[in-house]
Amino acid sequence: EADIYQTPRYLVIGTGKKITLECSQTMGHDKMYWYQQDPGMELHLIHYSYGVNSTEKGDLSSESTVSRIRTEHFPLTLESARPSHTSQYLCASSPRVEQYFGPGTRLTVT
Amino acid sequence: GQQLNQSPQSMFIQEGEDVSMNCTSSSIFNTWLWYKQDPGEGPVLLIALYKAGELTSNGRLTAQFGITRKDSFLNISASIPSDVGIYFCAGPHAGGTSYGKLTFGQGTILTVHP
Repeated sequence: EADIYQTPRYLVIGTGKKITLECSQTMGHDKMYWYQQDPGMELHLIHYSYGVNSTEKGDLSSESTVSRIRTEHFPLTLESARPSHTSQYLCASSPRVEQYFGPGTRLTVT
Repeated sequence: GQQLNQSPQSMFIQEGEDVSMNCTSSSIFNTWLWYKQDPGEGPVLLIALYKAGELTSNGRLTAQFGITRKDSFLNISASIPSDVGIYFCAGPHAGGTSYGKLTFGQGTILTVHP
């Protein structure tokens, strides 16, 4: 099982601010993912990475960007936050097929 | 693309009752995963199934990989209040450019009344 960490857990910011959501895992998994989820709803893949310097857009279009400079670190950045970005953001990593999730970041943009 | 249909969408049960939920697809899956998500938290992997016909238990949870490879079932016996949450099924995409990605069901919201 992976140890995967996300910070901050909760974030309330004003429109137009730049934010970075942090995600780190300690298991050396090559594959990492970002999902967006509204309360009680489905998970939507917005970004994924199969290794260092590899990033791809997911199935749901997102204005966020990601980077993968180190295996253990997969941050997500919003250059200019908007109220429509209010959601829960979940990070996951995977050694093979099964994915292990972090606790999530609950983002509210006012 | 591949889709997973999960049912029921929600369940309201009394503590002590058994629960059954299922996941079906028009496509074949080679792996089935079941997750539970508590409010405000990330999903936690409960059971992974890798072989058609496989029946796997984890405490009071039992999951089965359907023989046709197009469905899976999750049963919870003698439910308790902490079973409350959303249960998701998931399976890996077939491959190619979708390699390494999972398809998730819509989730089953479980409420347990004491």
